[in-house]
Amino acid sequence: EAGVAQSPRYKIIEKRQSVAFWCNPISGHATLYWYQQILGQGPKLLIQFQNNGVVDDSQLPKDRFSAERLKGVDSTLKIQPAKLEDSAVYLCASSLGGSGYEQYFGPGTRLTVT
Amino acid sequence: QKEVEQNSGPLSVPEGAIASLNCTYSDRVSQSFFWYRQYSGKSPELIMSIYSNGDKEDGRFTAQLNKASQYVSLLIRDSQPSDSATYLCAVREGGGNKLTFGTGTQLKVEL
Repeated sequence: EAGVAQSPRYKIIEKRQSVAFWCNPISGHATLYWYQQILGQGPKLLIQFQNNGVVDDSQLPKDRFSAERLKGVDSTLKIQPAKLEDSAVYLCASSLGGSGYEQYFGPGTRLTVT
Repeated sequence: QKEVEQNSGPLSVPEGAIASLNCTYSDRVSQSFFWYRQYSGKSPELIMSIYSNGDKEDGRFTAQLNKASQYVSLLIRDSQPSDSATYLCAVREGGGNKLTFGTGTQLKVEL
């Protein structure tokens, strides 16, 4: 069974530029998560989708971050405009459903904002 | 604010010894607990989940949960150099699926 796919793996941009990350979850997984992991910290949830609906986006900086999951499968996370403090690894995870299911992570996208 | 606390380490153990990793959490309604292993430059990998008080064993790994003390631990028996990684504790609050992660404990297994 294929795991969670993410692209690109690495991205370097200048501050104030925009960037987009893509995620394809494990086949059949209804729930998709985007996490931000800053060096030396644990992952922090940005947004959770159940199928194509948002379940939790309480920690998403909505003035600059946006995410969508239009057909209930793959998802895109966008940052516009980027700030230096957005430098982090952006992890996508998926699970079969909501509460009670284990989450599996993709390889992540390492973003450097200069 | 719900918190998950871990000692950042590094925790150094000799090869073949038992490594003990600890985690405390603040939210009493937390229902599910997970241990993820993260190698440097890689993404977190789920290694154990535990939902009820007591011990759960899987190969060389044992997870221990004490909800009254709000404490969860991971024991790694016969530690190997390949176990050297950062171990993340994650807690899911009751009724939802949001995970709150600790900052992780770095484990070093020395030859």
